[in-house]
Amino acid sequence: DVKVTQSSRYLVKRTGEKVFLECVQDMDHENMFWYRQDPGLGLRLIYFSYDVKMKEKGDIPEGYSVSREKKERFSLILESASTNQTSMYLCASRLGRNSYEQYFGPGTRLTVT
Amino acid sequence: AQKVTQAQTEISVVEKEDVTLDCVYETRDTTYYLFWYKQPPSGELVFLIRRNSFDEQNEISGRYSWNFQKSTSSFNFTITASQVVDSAVYFCALTPYPQTGANNLFFGTGTRLTVIP
Repeated sequence: DVKVTQSSRYLVKRTGEKVFLECVQDMDHENMFWYRQDPGLGLRLIYFSYDVKMKEKGDIPEGYSVSREKKERFSLILESASTNQTSMYLCASRLGRNSYEQYFGPGTRLTVT
Repeated sequence: AQKVTQAQTEISVVEKEDVTLDCVYETRDTTYYLFWYKQPPSGELVFLIRRNSFDEQNEISGRYSWNFQKSTSSFNFTITASQVVDSAVYFCALTPYPQTGANNLFFGTGTRLTVIP
């Protein structure tokens, strides 16, 4: 079974702090994703990585950056957290471009006060 | 552009009732994949089914069944004899084929199903 883990289930940070959300997958998947989930908006893609050190912007990249130094790990960085970044963050991985299912982690509920 | 609409925000049913979750999509791509995911209270999205646009056969898996109708751009999901464990948020999603770029999953806004014992 594919296992995608996220470093924290719940996180509370203050406005202006730098925040790191970590995601690890154990199935040697090439592609990894960061989504944000908000009520009434569904899931929206923040960033996508198709390989180590490779990244692409998703639909809502503003205020976020990412890092993928190792294949199994994909980090989402909030350079200066703001209250409008309070949300559920979901990481996903996918085998590669010719596969379609994405496998999700349990999510990190981030609150910025 | 891709769009997935789940008009039902919340549904409540009594245990053992059947329930259908609606999904309508828009895409200019002639080939694409459709998905259903379940998000239980634990938060993790669980993959349920993938369907490609070439295949309009309905699919049944235990108490779950899916009705794909290309003519109406719908991919509805029915749970027969619902159980309390079915309580979750259900997402319909679409991705174009062949893949270019991220080939992101385009999600609907989800339907929260509550099964009352």
